[in-house]
Amino acid sequence: DAGVTQSPTHLIKTRGQQVTLRCSPKSGHDTVSWYQQALGQGPQFIFQYYEEEERQRGNFPDRFSGHQFPNYSSELNVNALLLGDSALYLCASSLASYRNTEAFFGQGTRLTVV
Amino acid sequence: AQSVSQHNHHVILSEAASLELGCNYSYGGTVNLFWYVQYPGQHLQLLLKYFSGDPLVKGIKGFEAEFIKSKFSFNLRKPSVQWSDTAEYFCAVIPFSGGYNKLIFGAGTRLAVHP
Repeated sequence: DAGVTQSPTHLIKTRGQQVTLRCSPKSGHDTVSWYQQALGQGPQFIFQYYEEEERQRGNFPDRFSGHQFPNYSSELNVNALLLGDSALYLCASSLASYRNTEAFFGQGTRLTVV
Repeated sequence: AQSVSQHNHHVILSEAASLELGCNYSYGGTVNLFWYVQYPGQHLQLLLKYFSGDPLVKGIKGFEAEFIKSKFSFNLRKPSVQWSDTAEYFCAVIPFSGGYNKLIFGAGTRLAVHP
């Protein structure tokens, strides 16, 4: 049973560029959430996708956008990259239940903006 | 704003010492509570969770945590740590303020256990 998989594992981009990160959820899960973990901090919620729609969003600018596909996999897109976007980006999958749900995390994508 | 505070950023212990990591959250309603662990080079893994019922919950690898609602706390404990417990520990909360399951994390506590 595959867990949450993310690609790529590492990425180096230049300021102003655009990046796409990918996530495949754990088998049986239908909800994907994205988190940003800056160095020395805890993960910060970016947004969550369910039924191919963004249903909750954290305090991140519109440069951060996403998508969920019919097979529940998801992409995170970041436009006009800033140095401050350098972080570990984590994908978590879960079931859509309102309560008593547990999130499973992938290994993350380490994004470095230079 | 909803937030989670972890009192210790770095903890250094010798093997067999007891561990207690503090966690407090700011939200007055119903919450689900979690402790996640991140071993070096690995992904975040769930140590234990509290949804309802007995406020003393047991997790993997001998960890336990106690939910004290009146103190908005969910402290993590282990009676005797091992070198393999060296990792970063994150407390997280899901506040039920309208739906969905957004996790709010603390800043983490980096634990180093010396043999």
